[in-house]
Amino acid sequence: EAQVTQNPRYLITVTGKKLTVTCSQNMNHEYMSWYRQDPGLGLRQIYYSMNVEVTDKGDVPEGYKVSRKEKRNFPLILESPSPNQTSLYFCASSSTGGTGELFFGEGSRLTVL
Amino acid sequence: AQTVTQSQPEMSVQEAETVTLSCTYDTSENNYYLFWYKQPPSRQMILVIRQEAYKQQNATENRFSVNFQKAAKSFSLKISDSQLGDTAMYFCAFMKRRYNNNDMRFGAGTRLTVKP
Repeated sequence: EAQVTQNPRYLITVTGKKLTVTCSQNMNHEYMSWYRQDPGLGLRQIYYSMNVEVTDKGDVPEGYKVSRKEKRNFPLILESPSPNQTSLYFCASSSTGGTGELFFGEGSRLTVL
Repeated sequence: AQTVTQSQPEMSVQEAETVTLSCTYDTSENNYYLFWYKQPPSRQMILVIRQEAYKQQNATENRFSVNFQKAAKSFSLKISDSQLGDTAMYFCAFMKRRYNNNDMRFGAGTRLTVKP
């Protein structure tokens, strides 16, 4: 089954404790992206990657890091989480040669105390 | 930068009725895609419908259709014969077509409630 898998789905952590949200897709997509969703703001792009070893900042990259060492994986790293990073996070992927449709993971609800 | 505006934070409709969700966008591009995504309480993002800017014909998917007005930069979603399962947050999204970069921008969303 074609899918984007994120883990963990839910996480409560404390300020400053490094965490990683993993994302993996099995569709051989070149493009991957991370979004955060906040009430009244919709989805805002954090980082994106157009292919292996190619990453770039989105609209709200502060406090986040990413890496793309393999085509299928695109982890999101919070080196020192703060309460303003409490949010719902989505990983998404798409084929650059296709219709542009983004395929989304199921979301990761992160709470930073 | 492209912006997407959804001016209706919340809407409601009676079951079996028709409802229209509004979306406007701002761009200087000529080649782009527009999307409507549905987010039910499960939080999953589900593609509802897609429109290519160069196509004049409005896209239709079963009970869902769009009214695409390119000159007005408007992209509304019409849901006919509303069902309880249509209750969800709906996001309008814009994608500029550039080689290898599927950068998608979203509106703030419209929360739709279908009442029995």
